[in-house]
Amino acid sequence: QVQLQESGPGLVKPSQTLSLTCTVSGGSISSGGYYWNWFRQHPGKGLEWIGYIYYTGITYYNPSLKSPVIISLDASKNQFSLKVTSVTAADTAVYYCATTISPHYFDYWGQGTLVTVSS
Amino acid sequence: EIVLTQSPGTLSLSPGERATLSCRASQSTSSSYLAWYQQKPGQAPRLLIYGASNRATGIPDRFSGSGSGTHFTLTISRLEPEDFAVYYCQQYDSSSYTFGQGTKLEIK
Repeated sequence: QVQLQESGPGLVKPSQTLSLTCTVSGGSISSGGYYWNWFRQHPGKGLEWIGYIYYTGITYYNPSLKSPVIISLDASKNQFSLKVTSVTAADTAVYYCATTISPHYFDYWGQGTLVTVSS
Repeated sequence: EIVLTQSPGTLSLSPGERATLSCRASQSTSSSYLAWYQQKPGQAPRLLIYGASNRATGIPDRFSGSGSGTHFTLTISRLEPEDFAVYYCQQYDSSSYTFGQGTKLEIK
């Protein structure tokens, strides 16, 4: 069974870059068919899909996102990462990584990590 | 972008009762692309239903999903104490995903 674990700093200053990593266990990130996703949930709010990277390296991002983001994959470490540049207080949220072999829903999730943007 | 609207915002029921949660889409969406999740405080979402009516692995059969087009429903036939949580519907369209705002199911 695939397991995911987010890691990264819990506090980021405004205008800096938020960087998070999702470590995958119980499966290879480069094995066929999986979509590796990032989500976030603002405090007390609903879920927002940020984007995914396919095992081939193809990425797709939420066109409604205001924040510039990059998702990348490191097969040698069995990890994938999220970078959000020029963060503001609006980027304060719990960030989740999740994966699926179906492109339509998400069945494996990390536990989530809270990132606060504050000086 | 397809907007999902869930109702009611909060549902107050007692254990043993039946819960019916609604999810309406701003335009028709394929049943194959509609999923439901349960989220408890401090936890990640948990997939309950995919393809509008298919239970995910390990989900009890008191959970069922139905619907098509623009109206989808999640039904919990007899509420157990562990079912009180927030429920989200989610849809996929044109390589993008959106969620409803959630229905909080609370103990009456």
